[in-house]
Amino acid sequence: EVQLVESGGGLVQPGGSLRLSCAASGFTFSDHYMDWVRQAPGKGLEWVGRIRDKGNSYTTEYAASVKGRFTISRDDSRNFLYLQMNSLKTEDTAVYYCARDLRESAAFFDYWGQGTLVTVSS
Amino acid sequence: DIQMTQSPSSVSASVGDRVTITCRANQGLSSRLAWYLQRPRKAPKLLIYDASSLQSGVPSRFSGSGSGTDFTLTISSLQPEDFGTYYCQQAKTFPLTFGGGTKVEVK
Repeated sequence: EVQLVESGGGLVQPGGSLRLSCAASGFTFSDHYMDWVRQAPGKGLEWVGRIRDKGNSYTTEYAASVKGRFTISRDDSRNFLYLQMNSLKTEDTAVYYCARDLRESAAFFDYWGQGTLVTVSS
Repeated sequence: DIQMTQSPSSVSASVGDRVTITCRANQGLSSRLAWYLQRPRKAPKLLIYDASSLQSGVPSRFSGSGSGTDFTLTISSLQPEDFGTYYCQQAKTFPLTFGGGTKVEVK
């Protein structure tokens, strides 16, 4: 059974940092591109960024709203996905989901974690 | 960025009703579109990808159609577990973008 389990969320002050983790199991993690998607309280879904696989040099893409502040990485040996968030702003408050790409050629998300809440507030 | 516009923003329906939701993009997507259902306090669930392909395990009462800029999700006979918010998502170009959502509520 495919499982994605996020952790690392919590309360952080504006300007602070936080690292989210996503533990993957039940599939060959190294074969899949992975993404982060967030949802502010009471709002819709916002794509945050993507990391490709080793064959594509672990290249990344980011939303403009987080580029330069957030970094996505992965550890294929441990089946973990990470989101390093720096210079956090109040507008980064959201539930953060990790999601698996259905296939390499199309960024559709066939499995999602349960989400972890990040609250940026003083 | 590609803007995705869903309509209606909400719909009240009864079990057994046929429900249709539309999604319009401001640029052509070919068939690079997906539909998701998010139940309250849950993660989204993939229903349809490539505009009309049914995701494994999703009931056949869900169907998707369209290409280019105009897309439709149809639920042929609404079931109790279908209530929630539906989102479309384009996968044509980065940044990936979602529609604003359509909330399907009990009438």
